[in-house]
Amino acid sequence: DAGVIQSPRHEVTEMGQEVTLRCKPISGHNSLFWYRQTMMRGLELLIYFNNNVPIDDSGMPEDRFSAKMPNASFSTLKIQPSEPRDSAVYFCASSPLGGKGEGYTFGSGTRLTVV
Amino acid sequence: DQQVKQNSPSLSVQEGRISILNCDYTNSMFDYFLWYKKYPAEGPTFLISISSIKDKNEDGRFTVFLNKSAKHLSLHIVPSQPGDSAVYFCAASAGGAQKLVFGQGTRLTINP
Repeated sequence: DAGVIQSPRHEVTEMGQEVTLRCKPISGHNSLFWYRQTMMRGLELLIYFNNNVPIDDSGMPEDRFSAKMPNASFSTLKIQPSEPRDSAVYFCASSPLGGKGEGYTFGSGTRLTVV
Repeated sequence: DQQVKQNSPSLSVQEGRISILNCDYTNSMFDYFLWYKKYPAEGPTFLISISSIKDKNEDGRFTVFLNKSAKHLSLHIVPSQPGDSAVYFCAASAGGAQKLVFGQGTRLTINP
């Protein structure tokens, strides 16, 4: 298995533009997580899905952020409009349903820069 | 509010010596704790975990200690090796929840 695949690896965009980050989880993993890494706050959970259904989106910063999981093999995180303070590394992780943290597999992340 | 805190942004240790990374938490409902390791341009990978019913868990060179009364855990690496240079994240969960709460991370550098 190729692991969790995120695209793009790097994204530079202008303030006000829409940004879409993509994630393909490991086949058979029914839980998917979106995290954001910043220097000040470390890794913050934004949202997670079980069986394609959003379970907890309390970490989504504001309405500019939205996430979808249309099927078991694909998820998107969208920011519209983007702002400079959204600059961070965004990680997607997947795990077996009900698994503990040991089962998390993270992707390599998308480094987002909003100028 | 930061429920899991790693107050040392960085740590430098000589090769062969012990590395001690610290983590504090505020939520008394946390009952499962993990350490993740992250290399540049890669995602974090699981290193070691401990349940709140234990106070120590060991895996080779890595040992995690949990002090519930102080709401503190630490990761010991003995002996430290150059390949241990990475960012280490502490994480916690409550009541079997899948949701992990992470700290800010500590960058460990092992000097030859």
